[in-house]
Amino acid sequence: DAGITQSPRHKVTETGTPVTLRCHQTENHRYMYWYRQDPGHGLRLIHYSYGVKDTDKGEVSDGYSVSRSKTEDFLLTLESATSSQTSVYFCAISESTRSSTDTQYFGPGTRLTVL
Amino acid sequence: TQLLEQSPQFLSIQEGENLTVYCNSSSVFSSLQWYRQEPGEGPVLLVTVVTGGEVKKLKRLTFQFGDARKDSSLHITAAQPGDTGLYLCAGQGTSYDKVIFGPGTSLSVIP
Repeated sequence: DAGITQSPRHKVTETGTPVTLRCHQTENHRYMYWYRQDPGHGLRLIHYSYGVKDTDKGEVSDGYSVSRSKTEDFLLTLESATSSQTSVYFCAISESTRSSTDTQYFGPGTRLTVL
Repeated sequence: TQLLEQSPQFLSIQEGENLTVYCNSSSVFSSLQWYRQEPGEGPVLLVTVVTGGEVKKLKRLTFQFGDARKDSSLHITAAQPGDTGLYLCAGQGTSYDKVIFGPGTSLSVIP
């Protein structure tokens, strides 16, 4: 199994509070991703990173920001949480050489509830 | 915008039965992948198919990529309770595109 951990694994917070989720990898993979998973929608990309300090938006980036100051860590921040951001959040990593299919390895997920 | 649809959305079968789930799109993909996700865990890659018409087997699971590279199927023979989970297909238009995921098929195999 790829070495990917997410913290916290579960969090309950209130509307309007800031929340930061952490993803940590030990594989030295270049690419890191944050997805949210909601019933009927599958996995939707929030943001991704292609290197230290290099990030880009995914399809559902509104209300989220990310930072990557080290290869191994990718942080997802909800500046002011809303109930619509209640979801399960997954971090993924890949080597993504661009010459082959991008195989992603997923962390165990963080279940976030915004009351 | 590329989209992937999966059917059925839910499937509940008895142990020992065979089943097929489908992944469809109007777009062409350079590759399609199937992931399985167990409750409380992240998805895990099962297989990648890259050639139109390609068939891959993984024990009791058979994966096929459509000739036109717009669809894929997953067939499970003699399903077992351990096959229970969410099956996600994922596709890439080209190796430079980001992977997109379908909504998944939730399979429950009853002992």
